[in-house]
Amino acid sequence: GAGVSQTPSNKVTEKGKYVELRCDPISGHTALYWYRQSLGQGPEFLIYFQGTGAADDSGLPNDRFFAVRPEGSVSTLKIQRTERGDSAVYLCASSPDRVAYNEQFFGPGTRLTVL
Amino acid sequence: AQSVTQLDSQVPVFEEAPVELRCNYSSSVSVYLFWYVQYPNQGLQLLLKYLSGSTLVESINGFEAEFNKSQTSFHLRKPSVHISDTAEYFCAVTPPGGGNKLTFGTGTQLKVEL
Repeated sequence: GAGVSQTPSNKVTEKGKYVELRCDPISGHTALYWYRQSLGQGPEFLIYFQGTGAADDSGLPNDRFFAVRPEGSVSTLKIQRTERGDSAVYLCASSPDRVAYNEQFFGPGTRLTVL
Repeated sequence: AQSVTQLDSQVPVFEEAPVELRCNYSSSVSVYLFWYVQYPNQGLQLLLKYLSGSTLVESINGFEAEFNKSQTSFHLRKPSVHISDTAEYFCAVTPPGGGNKLTFGTGTQLKVEL
């Protein structure tokens, strides 16, 4: 079956612009996670959804970052007024539910470059 | 809050040699522990996990990890590596009931050479 997909795979934008990153989770997975991986670092938690609602957004760095999952499937991470420090690989993962022992299935990531 | 330390950023090793990738964690509560692997040009995938019970856990491709509570460690080992094991390995933790949001280490790049 299809895994987690993310689009675009690469995004280059200019400082101050708005970007949207999309994640298509595995069908039927109710939990969806966003992580950010900067160069030389491990993935860092941003936000997760259980169904349509954001269950924990404590990892979002500031109010320029926002994510939605309106129908409980596809999710979009939105970044306003991008800064050079936002450059990173943004990873999406999904899981059958949010139970802690469940495996998270990761997508290939979107590499965001802010010039 | 939790934190994970992977002291070795790169580990070069010859094929068929043993390897150990180190992972230490810090947490005020009990945690579940995971090793994820990222092969070149692929997404992260789960290698093995420790939830409870036997402190030694194994993967299907010959890796094993041992949970040591007193040393707060979860080192990954393989007695004989193969070229195909070349990848980046991430140790991660999450507390039970924490919604499964993972805290990752910085990763260890394992490079297996002939």
